[in-house]
Amino acid sequence: SQQGEEDPQALSIQEGENATMNCSYKTSINNLQWYRQNSGRGLVHLILIRSNEREKHSGRLRVTLDTSKKSSSLLITASRAADTASYFCAPISGGYNKLIFGAGTRLAVHP
Amino acid sequence: NAGVTQTPKFRVLKTGQSMTLLCAQDMNHEYMYWYRQDPGMGLRLIHYSVGEGTTAKGEVPDGYNVSRLKKQNFLLGLESAAPSQTSVYFCASSPLLSYEQYFGPGTRLTVT
Repeated sequence: SQQGEEDPQALSIQEGENATMNCSYKTSINNLQWYRQNSGRGLVHLILIRSNEREKHSGRLRVTLDTSKKSSSLLITASRAADTASYFCAPISGGYNKLIFGAGTRLAVHP
Repeated sequence: NAGVTQTPKFRVLKTGQSMTLLCAQDMNHEYMYWYRQDPGMGLRLIHYSVGEGTTAKGEVPDGYNVSRLKKQNFLLGLESAAPSQTSVYFCASSPLLSYEQYFGPGTRLTVT
């Protein structure tokens, strides 16, 4: 598997605003996942998008995948203070579901 | 259903001491993983296992050993701890036919 690079490194918004995070990777993938990590806790799986999908929704989350640009984006709509966390993308191109994480995007949502 | 649990939650070691971190999962998952996370960084894969009795090296395996004698348990050992191994260690598991990983709460290890 390969590492995803998240951008921006940090994002600060007000409650109710939308948050967009981007992920870039280098080689072809089978799928790409997004995880959330609340401070000091383990990661929680948010959503998986397969290489043949272009967009996927889950509640307030919208993920897009552009395999030609080797990039993905995660949009959180109508953000809440509880969305404050670090977000990581994980592109998967090999077997055994091995994940390699970048430094993530630290999202702060202010009430 | 406890999911993935890790023991201990916190530990302080002196340089040169040894210890074993235990990861247990009750979801009958085939795959298990050990990661470390240093401040401000993402997780790095130390070792992983694709089934009982099998282990393989990840990105940063040096200084660590692992064993998976039972399907539900994955042990991470530090034979001679070094200050560079101060980190938060996360265990994860994944079922055979799904890509999603389930993470434990982490073990915070300090080596002085």
